[in-house]
Amino acid sequence: AQSVTQPDIHITVSEGASLELRCNYSYGATPYLFWYVQSPGQGLQLLLKYFSGDTLVQGIKGFEAEFKRSQSSFNLRKPSVHWSDAAEYFCAVGAVYSSASKIIFGSGTRLSIRP
Amino acid sequence: DGGITQSPKYLFRKEGQNVTLSCEQNLNHDAMYWYRQDPGQGLRLIYYSQIVNDFQKGDIAEGYSVSREKKESFPLTVTSAQKNPTAFYLCASSIVRGQSGANVLTFGAGSRLTVL
Repeated sequence: AQSVTQPDIHITVSEGASLELRCNYSYGATPYLFWYVQSPGQGLQLLLKYFSGDTLVQGIKGFEAEFKRSQSSFNLRKPSVHWSDAAEYFCAVGAVYSSASKIIFGSGTRLSIRP
Repeated sequence: DGGITQSPKYLFRKEGQNVTLSCEQNLNHDAMYWYRQDPGQGLRLIYYSQIVNDFQKGDIAEGYSVSREKKESFPLTVTSAQKNPTAFYLCASSIVRGQSGANVLTFGAGSRLTVL
């Protein structure tokens, strides 16, 4: 079955510390991977996406993610978090050149920042 | 600036009433989607439309209805048949399948529906 797992429901890190949010997927076709961020009461904003090529992908707001096919993972990282990074983060997977209606979202990881 | 506008931001409904959530986009996207978000869960697809006058059920379509009379608009009606309608509703759009970037969703700011 196709699925996306974000094992951490809630993470708290200190401002200035590094961050890694985990994402594992199970998908039969060649995956198209995404990370979205959602501020409270807002819609989702695309942070970055991976389809092919370099497995380390740079996104907006200083985020990056690394695709590891052997581990079926697409973890999100940031070297130094800012208080404004507090939000909910969603990993998602879709099929290349398929409709976005096939995208599967993880259940999200809520990030809190300790001053 | 191009984007998606959802209204109202907050909506309260009495049990037994139908309510309609508005979604308008000026991105010239062909495809539009409605998602439901509940705490601790990912997004679940309610309905989607790839072209005007056509739409498809998603994973949780029961108790909802949609229309797509114009490319820019995709309103969602939450009917009295929806057993647990209190949720955050997100509208999104994308270019169509088969084109590069067809998977990339652009989201509106959402509408929060509370049933009293």
